[in-house]
Amino acid sequence: GAVVSQHPSWVICKSGTSVKIECRSLDFQATTMFWYRQFPKQSLMLMATSNEGSKATYEQGVEKDKFLINHASLTLSTLTVTSAHPEDSSFYICSASEFRRSNEQFFGPGTRLTVL
Amino acid sequence: AQKVTQAQTEISVVEKEDVTLDCVYETRDTTYYLFWYKQPPSGELVFLIRRNSFDEQNEISGRYSWNFQKSTSSFNFTITASQVVDSAVYFCALNDYKLSFGAGTTVTVRA
Repeated sequence: GAVVSQHPSWVICKSGTSVKIECRSLDFQATTMFWYRQFPKQSLMLMATSNEGSKATYEQGVEKDKFLINHASLTLSTLTVTSAHPEDSSFYICSASEFRRSNEQFFGPGTRLTVL
Repeated sequence: AQKVTQAQTEISVVEKEDVTLDCVYETRDTTYYLFWYKQPPSGELVFLIRRNSFDEQNEISGRYSWNFQKSTSSFNFTITASQVVDSAVYFCALNDYKLSFGAGTTVTVRA
């Protein structure tokens, strides 16, 4: 149980284009979803937290207009990187938690984004 | 200030050696959770253990063991008789009001 999927697993795009990454909880209802970014040889940094049906809460320094997060249902959250640039190239990982186990996050396999 | 400190950046051992990874955390909350994750080269985070702040019992799972000491705010992780498949980056994490990760320790086990 508690499986989280991400799609795509990797994506290459041209500078200036937008990329959408999906995060799905497959066997539970994710009341809260999280998006992390990990640069090479670095740790995971929380970008934003979203509750189903509400606007996402962004961490300091994360541009909300650049990283659009939508959590429209209890099983799906999307992260859209708008007007991507090479410096946005990174490993993006989502996680999800359910109401009864709010202190535990289940992680997706990650999406590797390369912007040319 | 860092909430989770993993002092060791890289550790390299020969197979069958024991490896201990240090983790020191900082929080003002009395209720919190500590985690260890493994991240192999594929990138996917693998959950290893969760411990809440009220449970100081040490835990052993196969070749893995954890030592939680509230008095020193430490939650150390030991791999006994390491194997090549243990090569990965290991993250310690603290969840008080949000999940904060340490910088990670890269473990390389040589055959």
